[in-house]
Order: sequence, then structure tokens, then C-alpha cells
Amino acid sequence: NAGVTQTPKFRVLKTGQSMTLLCAQDMNHEYMYWYRQDPGMGLRLIHYSVGEGTTAKGEVPDGYNVSRLKKQNFLLGLESAAPSQTSVYFCASSYGGPSIYEQYFGPGTRLTVT
Amino acid sequence: AQSVTQLDSQVPVFEEAPVELRCNYSSSVSVYLFWYVQYPNQGLQLLLKYLSGSTLVKGINGFEAEFNKSQTSFHLRKPSVHISDTAEYFCAVRRISNFGNEKLTFGTGTRLTIIP
Repeated sequence: NAGVTQTPKFRVLKTGQSMTLLCAQDMNHEYMYWYRQDPGMGLRLIHYSVGEGTTAKGEVPDGYNVSRLKKQNFLLGLESAAPSQTSVYFCASSYGGPSIYEQYFGPGTRLTVT
Repeated sequence: AQSVTQLDSQVPVFEEAPVELRCNYSSSVSVYLFWYVQYPNQGLQLLLKYLSGSTLVKGINGFEAEFNKSQTSFHLRKPSVHISDTAEYFCAVRRISNFGNEKLTFGTGTRLTIIP
């Protein structure tokens, strides 16, 4: 079991470039999440998905798009990167439903936008 | 909406000394409470959680936390820390509801540094 994996681990972009971050989980989880972590601000939810083909906005969705075409994958896209998007991005997944299931986190992607 | 306050951004502690990391929350509805740990260059890992029942909950690696509803606090404690406890610790809350898509709200984190 690899758990939650994220690709790539590091990336440097120039302002205006685009990229896609890939999150994959092998635990058959229904729910998946994208967070960004910034110094002094903790983790903030960008977008989340409660099932294949569905996505929803989180706390800080502007400038990002997501897709969940397969249950095991959750993609985060930056169409036109800005320096304000320099951050560490974490993907997480969990079982769904009303019960309280633990969120499992990936190792993170460190993105720098110059 | 919920909010979480971790007043101490950094806590240095000597090895084998006790530690308490403070967490206070604000919410107009009842919440579940969590502590996560992030070791250097890794993702977050669940340390412990309070859902209901006994207000003292025990987690992994010898940590425990006590839920105090009147003070809206959920402080994390360990009686004797080890070098390997050096990490960042995040408190989080989640609204209690019958919907499965309730989101976690995180605090800003406390960096625990163990001094040999």
C-alpha cells in the first residue's frame, strides 16, 4: 500500500505558466482534498471531491481548478501561476459518509512561482 | 464557521521534560477535535481525536489531550518528550453533522523543538 502519493515533489514555475499536480491514492477512498500550507497560516482547503466526477470549492479556490475523472486520482491545476501561489500543496483522502474517518495526507509538493 | 487558535507558534523543550501545546477553538455548533503531527518534510499524520465520551483522549507516541468544553480548549500534552517528537503540531476541528463532507479547519501550527 503506497497510501497517498503526490507528483511532482518540487517544481519551479515562472509567472503565467501552467501546471498540474497529481494526487493518487490506493485505499479506495471516496473523498479527496487539496490543501495549501503557508507559513503562519496552517492548512487551507482549496478544493475537495466527495466522489468520482464531483468537485467542490474549499476556502481558497481562486486560481485553481480540479478534476476527479477516476476515483483514485485527484488533479489540481494552475492555469496561470502567480507568485502568491508559492506554497506547499498537500493532498489528502478519506472514506466518505457521515462517520468520522481519518484523512490521510500525501508527502506534499513544494511549488515556487517566480 | 469554526476557527482554531494555537497561540504558541514555537515551543522549545528540553528532552525528557513535559510539554503542553495549547489549542482553543471557536464554534457556534458542536465540533469534533483533532491533533495532527507533521514531521520534517512529510505530510500530516493523525495523532489523536476527540469525538465523544471521555474528555481525556490518548493518542500515538505517548501524547494525550483533554477536551474542555467550558474553556473551548483541546490542549495536547506529553509527560516526557523525546528528540523524535521534534515536529509541527496542528490542532483541527470539524463541525458535527450528518453530512460526510464537513471540512477540517486547521490552526496555524506549533513548532515543537526538543533540546538535547
